[in-house]
Amino acid sequence: SQKIEQNSEALNIQEGKTATLTCNYTNYSPAYLQWYRQDPGRGPVFLLLIRENEKEKRKERLKVTFDTTLKQSLFHITASQPADSATYLCAQGGYQKVTFGTGTKLQVIP
Amino acid sequence: EAGVAQSPRYKIIEKRQSVAFWCNPISGHATLYWYQQILGQGPKLLIQFQNNGVVDDSQLPKDRFSAERLKGVDSTLKIQPAKLEDSAVYLCASRGLPNRYNEQFFGPGTRLTVL
Repeated sequence: SQKIEQNSEALNIQEGKTATLTCNYTNYSPAYLQWYRQDPGRGPVFLLLIRENEKEKRKERLKVTFDTTLKQSLFHITASQPADSATYLCAQGGYQKVTFGTGTKLQVIP
Repeated sequence: EAGVAQSPRYKIIEKRQSVAFWCNPISGHATLYWYQQILGQGPKLLIQFQNNGVVDDSQLPKDRFSAERLKGVDSTLKIQPAKLEDSAVYLCASRGLPNRYNEQFFGPGTRLTVL
């Protein structure tokens, strides 16, 4: 069965540093991985998608990588700000079905 | 563009009672999802609709949960009877035609507390 893991429940980081979140998948290679941001009391919001044939994607201060050998995606936030504090969800899927990880709660400390 | 609407935002019921949640997706979005998110966990797919047809309901506890999407627009999710372990946030999401992002647009969720 599809399984996706985010191995850090929480991550605290100093403002201005780069935050790196990890997402691991098992059993099979997804067609793509997505990253979402979720704030308390709100639904997740889409940030980035990376496909299996892509190594890296960037969007402003965000960067995501996809390593099919390690079966892992890394999500980076450079020059982190307190406003980046939220839970970040990794999701893997093909066309029809998307499976979410448990999320990593990021706290950026001023 | 209006987002995904859900109601109610909060609901408190006693166990064994019934409850219903409503979702209005983004206009024109054919795909609609219902997720259950237990505190500290990621969203778990309960059911996925494509227009008014069910694509995936493999994780829907069909003895107590039911969902419908009449006319391929609004959707309702019902729990009857509720159990304590059903306490969670119920998220509705919709998606348009497949594109480079395949992003899902989520509503704010309904927080259910079963006492």
